[in-house]
Amino acid sequence: QQQVKQSPQSLIVQKGGISIINCAYENTAFDYFPWYQQFPGKGPALLIAIRPDVSEKKEGRFTISFNKSAKQFSLHIMDSQPGDSATYFCAASAGSNYKLTFGKGTLLTVNP
Amino acid sequence: DVKVTQSSRYLVKRTGEKVFLECVQDMDHENMFWYRQDPGLGLRLIYFSYDVKMKEKGDIPEGYSVSREKKERFSLILESASTNQTSMYLCASSPLLGELFFGEGSRLTVL
Repeated sequence: QQQVKQSPQSLIVQKGGISIINCAYENTAFDYFPWYQQFPGKGPALLIAIRPDVSEKKEGRFTISFNKSAKQFSLHIMDSQPGDSATYFCAASAGSNYKLTFGKGTLLTVNP
Repeated sequence: DVKVTQSSRYLVKRTGEKVFLECVQDMDHENMFWYRQDPGLGLRLIYFSYDVKMKEKGDIPEGYSVSREKKERFSLILESASTNQTSMYLCASSPLLGELFFGEGSRLTVL
């Protein structure tokens, strides 16, 4: 049972464009939604995270949009750069349960 | 900076061998995790530990066991390696209710 569905599986964007990755969840107990960024040969690293008390969180060029009623959240990368090329994972966890359930990942390629 | 160190980056083992993957964190984190990463499947939780000598099964514990004798060290054990355990293994640690910090991974090939 896949509790966090991530799309698309891969994404190609031109430099300066907007990259959008979407995730949907089923478990209404989830209350922490992080995004992780992974470069080749490295472990994932936390990029940005949101809790459901806000609908949007922005850090620099990265924004999470959260829609609680639709049980969806998305990552927007503005002014995408070649250095943003990486695999992005959404994740979710519930309450004091610190186990993260990850989406399957999106391979983002930003062309120069 | 938090550092999570996985002792072996690349391993090649034979079917049936016992395999130990070691992970050490240097930030006194309570929680430690072992994930498996496969193309198209994302990260799947094998086991996690929230305290010394404490462990809980994750989503795919079959064929694996773990050991946490000291707070900073969390070991993943494959009692009898099989080819379907060929994968990238990621260790992570976190403070209670905090961000996960990942190691760089151990790529295991079972022949």
